[in-house]
Amino acid sequence: ETGVTQSPTHLIKTRGQQVTLRCSSQSGHNTVSWYQQALGQGPQFIFQYYREEENGRGNFPPRFSGLQFPNYSSELNVNALELDDSALYLCASSLVDLDGYTFGSGTRLTVV
Amino acid sequence: QQQVKQSPQSLIVQKGGIPIINCAYENTAFDYFPWYQQFPGKGPALLIAIRPDVSEKKEGRFTISFNKSAKQFSLHIMDSQPGDSATYFCAASRSNDYKLSFGAGTTVTVRA
Repeated sequence: ETGVTQSPTHLIKTRGQQVTLRCSSQSGHNTVSWYQQALGQGPQFIFQYYREEENGRGNFPPRFSGLQFPNYSSELNVNALELDDSALYLCASSLVDLDGYTFGSGTRLTVV
Repeated sequence: QQQVKQSPQSLIVQKGGIPIINCAYENTAFDYFPWYQQFPGKGPALLIAIRPDVSEKKEGRFTISFNKSAKQFSLHIMDSQPGDSATYFCAASRSNDYKLSFGAGTTVTVRA
């Protein structure tokens, strides 16, 4: 097992720009979810992918989009960045159940 | 709206003390209640989880107490150590749904 890895670890973007964050799921995991964690808050569910299809979405606008690839890696894309998008973005993957849900260390996005 | 409410926001205990963190939920469809531990710069890591068919679960020094009728659950850290200093999040989900609803977190400081 290699765990869940995310890249980059830190990123600074300007308001209005677009950003792509990447996640490599733990080996064999076929479900990946993305969360946004604002400073001092708990993670908020953005969306989940299962077998390359979106399989659930939280209360986030369409400018948040994602992809899951056949090798179970994943991307989170955010268009038209806003200052409030500044947060830690976490990727989590699992194979069978929530007990196996594993989080990566996240990407810290700062929008200026 | 926040589906899981967590308290207190922070607490400080002496080494060997028992920090207690409380959470309450509204959605009666939730049937999976995990606790996550998060250190600075890291993603949340699953500590212990409980399902509503039991009222208490222990794993090492960590104990979850669950009150289904009150829709409340709590985490006790027995014989706390300085290495337990971290932010703790309660969460809730339905077993067939990977969408976790997190509390706002509790920062625990264990003084030596």
